[in-house]
Amino acid sequence: DTGVSQDPRHKITKRGQNVTFRCDPISEHNRLYWYRQTLGQGPEFLTYFQNEAQLEKSRLLSDRFSAERPKGSFSTLEIQRTEQGDSAMYLCASVAFTGGRSSYEQYFGPGTRLTVT
Amino acid sequence: QKEVEQDPGPLSVPEGAIVSLNCTYSNSAFQYFMWYRQYSRKGPELLMYTYSSGNKEDGRFTAQVDKSSKYISLFIRDSQPSDSATYLCATTPSGNTPLVFGKGTRLSVIA
Repeated sequence: DTGVSQDPRHKITKRGQNVTFRCDPISEHNRLYWYRQTLGQGPEFLTYFQNEAQLEKSRLLSDRFSAERPKGSFSTLEIQRTEQGDSAMYLCASVAFTGGRSSYEQYFGPGTRLTVT
Repeated sequence: QKEVEQDPGPLSVPEGAIVSLNCTYSNSAFQYFMWYRQYSRKGPELLMYTYSSGNKEDGRFTAQVDKSSKYISLFIRDSQPSDSATYLCATTPSGNTPLVFGKGTRLSVIA
């Protein structure tokens, strides 16, 4: 399978615990995005990387959230001291960004569903 | 007012019907427009991508953008039960900005 993969697919945690999610983008895609999607809503942007550089963070990304893409390949999203409001689907998307018009097409992974009890 | 408005539905149609899904947006800087299909508990799947105004056709799907009225449409011809999903419109001003999504419209195609 050469698509975007995410792990785990589902995570149940207790309030106050830390969780970490992983995203493996499509091979050679240089841009990687993280979004959060709650029930009945569209995905909302959290942050994105070009190679290993984190270029933008949303105001949604509180200081409890941190993301990394250390070697410009896979990325991790960590949530510290989880709250019930963090329960959502966390989606990763990748792009082969070259600046041309077709490079705006983002390909999404299956998501990690987080439930905070 | 959200930047992208989309009627969440649900929309229920008989098999074979023509489906029309729509979004409006407020930011005239938006240049790139996408439609994603999302099955329950899955990630969004890119269906169509258009730049600026105009139409684009791919099989049973046609995407239309009218920048003068800030209106985005997706038409599905000869709808099938397998088209039952949530359809998300998305847009962005440039490649250096993230996508802004609508809420999604839930579609059911009844056999």
